[in-house]
This record gives sequence, structure tokens and C-alpha cells, in this order.
Amino acid sequence: AQKVTQAQTEISVVEKEDVTLDCVYETRDTTYYLFWYKQPPSGELVFLIRRNSFDEQNEISGRYSWNFQKSTSSFNFTITASQVVDSAVYFCALSFKAAGNKLTFGGGTRVLVKP
Amino acid sequence: GAGVSQTPSNKVTEKGKYVELRCDPISGHTALYWYRQSLGQGPEFLIYFQGTGAADDSGLPNDRFFAVRPEGSVSTLKIQRTERGDSAVYLCASSFDSFSGNTIYFGEGSWLTVV
Repeated sequence: AQKVTQAQTEISVVEKEDVTLDCVYETRDTTYYLFWYKQPPSGELVFLIRRNSFDEQNEISGRYSWNFQKSTSSFNFTITASQVVDSAVYFCALSFKAAGNKLTFGGGTRVLVKP
Repeated sequence: GAGVSQTPSNKVTEKGKYVELRCDPISGHTALYWYRQSLGQGPEFLIYFQGTGAADDSGLPNDRFFAVRPEGSVSTLKIQRTERGDSAVYLCASSFDSFSGNTIYFGEGSWLTVV
């Protein structure tokens, strides 16, 4: 069975602090893809990053960075120097080759950045 | 269009009524997906289309739910005899095709409230 777990339901930080969101996944497939989406109050899911199972390189995009570790089945997301505009719910998701492009989502982590 | 468009953005209906939710995917995207998101939870897969055909409808909760995509573009999610438990945000998404790993882009959702 495929499963994504985001153990942190809510994180509250003060602006400029760093925040790390945990994502742990389960799959028996060897070919799979991991995603992060941001859901601001408007409700639309905004794509942030995609990573395939064969590429364990960490990635940085501006204030965002991602740490993919197959050994621990984790794909964690860090926001550096958080800003109020980062306040949103963040979802980690998994798709695997055998199921086409169907996404399995975690429960989400709500991030509240206070000024 | 520039993004995935969903109508209506909000719908309030009485228990037992019939509801249609419409989705217009990104131009050129052959794969279209429907997800349902209940308050405080991650999106759950309902059905996806590759072209005009439903490639996977394993997430539809029961036979009151049905979706069509007759010309391979716009899709309609149909809910018969609505129940209060159907209240949720219904998210539509699209991708270039349904090969695993393709980035899926979401619309802003249709908020359905059954009273």
C-alpha cells in the first residue's frame, strides 16, 4: 500500500525563523515520484517541486530546500528565513509508476508565520 | 486557458438534490483528475481521465458519483441524491499526460455544501 505521513499538523514560527516540514512515505514500487504542494487560504494547490526515486540530490530554490533520503523514506522541506506569505498548508504527495499519475497525499502541515 | 478553471466556485444544495461540477483543464493537457478534500485533510483521489476515457475510477465513493469527459477537454463531475457527507471541496487538476511523474496542476476547487 502507498502512504504518505506528515506527522506535524501545525507549526507556528516567527518571521525570519527557519521551518522544516517532515514527510515520510511508504511504497513497494522502485519507481515513484514525490511532490510538495502549497495550499494558501485561497484554496488552490500550488506545485512546488517534483522528485523522482532515482534522484536523491537535494535541491534548493530560493528560500526553499528539499532533502530526499531513500534510506529513511523521507522527503523533508525547509523554508529558510520564513515570511508571512509562507503561511499556508503544505502537502507532500506520492505517485508511483504502476498507478499512472495518481497522487496519494499526506494530511498536510499548516504553517503559521507570525510577523 | 492559463490554468485549470472550475465552476461553480461555491455551491450550496439541499440534501437529495443533483449537482454538477465543471472543470476546464489547461489547454493541451490530455489527463484530467478529480480529487475531494474534506476540511483539515489532504485531497483524496476520485477519478482520472486520459483523453475521453476514465482510466481509473477507483476513488469514486459510490454509484451516486459519476464523471464524464466527452470530448477530451472539459469534464463534469455529477453527484446524484446528495448527502450531507458529500460536503467538501472538489478539486480538478490536469497534466500533460497520465504518465507517472508528470506535474499535476490544480484548480481552485468547487466548494460544495449540502444542507
